Amino acid sequence: GIQVEQSPPDLILQEGANSTLRCNFSDSVNNLQWFHQNPWGQLINLFYIPSGTKQNGRLSATTVATERYSLLYISSSQTTDSGVYFCAAPTNTGNQFYFGTGTSLTVIP
Amino acid sequence: GAGVSQSPSNKVTEKGKDVELRCDPISGHTALYWYRQSLGQGLEFLIYFQGNSAPDKSGLPSDRFSAERTGGSVSTLTIQRTQQEDSAVYLCASSPLGGNYGYTFGSGTRLTVV
Repeated sequence: GIQVEQSPPDLILQEGANSTLRCNFSDSVNNLQWFHQNPWGQLINLFYIPSGTKQNGRLSATTVATERYSLLYISSSQTTDSGVYFCAAPTNTGNQFYFGTGTSLTVIP
Repeated sequence: GAGVSQSPSNKVTEKGKDVELRCDPISGHTALYWYRQSLGQGLEFLIYFQGNSAPDKSGLPSDRFSAERTGGSVSTLTIQRTQQEDSAVYLCASSPLGGNYGYTFGSGTRLTVV
C-alpha cells in the first residue's frame, strides 16, 4: 500500500504564529485529503486537494502530485487550531484511504 | 441526514460480550467505510461498502469482526467475544461515489472493553 509520512510529529506554537505541516506519499496518487481531529476526537475535512493550491480562511494547502508531497499552511494560529492533523491518500480503487500518523499541534495563548 | 451519525457515542462492555456499533451515512452517499483508531494512533481501515458490490473486508482484524449494510444505507459493525485490545474509537465515514471524492466522518463510538 501507499506509505504516508507526516512531519513534524509534534508542534507547539505561540498563538499568532504561522506553521507548515508536510505530508509525503510513496506513490503517485490522484487525491489527497487533509483532516483536523479536534481534542474531542471529531475528524473534520479541511481540504480535498489532488493537486494545486486551495485556501480556506487562515488555512491553505498545496499538493505537488509529481513530487509526491502536500503542505498544509496555518497562518495566525489560534488555540482552537490545536489537535492532530492527518493527511490521507486513497488506493487506486478508492476503497480506502491510507492515513499518515499525524502532526499533533498545540497552540498556546 | 446532514452528517454521518454514529451510535452509541460511548460503549463500555465486559470482555467476552458482543457489541454492535451503528452508522447512519449521509443520505445519498453510496460508499461507507469503517476505521478504528486506538489511543494515540492513526486510523486503521476495517471495511468498505460501495453500493451493491461485495464489501472489501480486507482490514478486518479477525473473524470476530463483521459488518453489514442494509438497503445501501445504515451499517452495523459487530464485534463478537470482545477482547481488551478491541478498545478503541470506531469511526465511520461516507462518500458520494467512493474515496476519490473525499470522506465525511462521524463522531465515532468509543469502545472500552473491561
